[in-house]
Amino acid sequence: GAGVSQSPSNKVTEKGKDVELRCDPISGHTALYWYRQRLGQGLEFLIYFQGNSAPDKSGLPSDRFSAERTGESVSTLTIQRTQQEDSAVYLCASSSGLRGYNEQFFGPGTRLTVL
Amino acid sequence: GDSVTQMEGPVTLSEEAFLTINCTYTATGYPSLFWYVQYPGEGLQLLLKATKADDKGSNKGFEATYRKETTSFHLEKGSVQVSDSAVYFCALSDRSNTGKLIFGQGTTLQVKP
Repeated sequence: GAGVSQSPSNKVTEKGKDVELRCDPISGHTALYWYRQRLGQGLEFLIYFQGNSAPDKSGLPSDRFSAERTGESVSTLTIQRTQQEDSAVYLCASSSGLRGYNEQFFGPGTRLTVL
Repeated sequence: GDSVTQMEGPVTLSEEAFLTINCTYTATGYPSLFWYVQYPGEGLQLLLKATKADDKGSNKGFEATYRKETTSFHLEKGSVQVSDSAVYFCALSDRSNTGKLIFGQGTTLQVKP
């Protein structure tokens, strides 16, 4: 079946502009995660959705970052007034369960470049 | 807070050499441990996992054993191939209600023929 998809695959924007990143999880997966991968670094957790609710937003780096999920499916990560330090690959993952030992399936990522 | 530390790369090996990538963790409670791999041009995928102490995860010739006493989860393979060239990430999940993953910084492996 289809895996996790993300769009766009690449986004180049100017400093100060807003961007929206989209994630389509695997159908039926209730858990959805956003991570950020800066160049040469590991992945940083941003936000977790269970259904359409976000019980853990602890990784969002500032109030310029927000995310929503609708229909227990698609999620959108929005970055307002982008800064150069926002440049990274943004990864989405989905999982079928609540607990940590359920495998997370990752999308291919969106590479964001802020000029 | 919880954290994962991996040996720094890049690691360069000849084909058929023995591979070890060290991973240690700091966590409260009893996390689940994972190795993820990112092949060139591909997305991140689960390589293996272990959910409790002394469990051994294995896949594609790779193995890692959950060592609670040393808080380690080292990745090993007896004979690497060129196709194993990739970035390897060690991660833990704290089994909280979120299941979020905490990753190490990644180790790049290059295998030469």
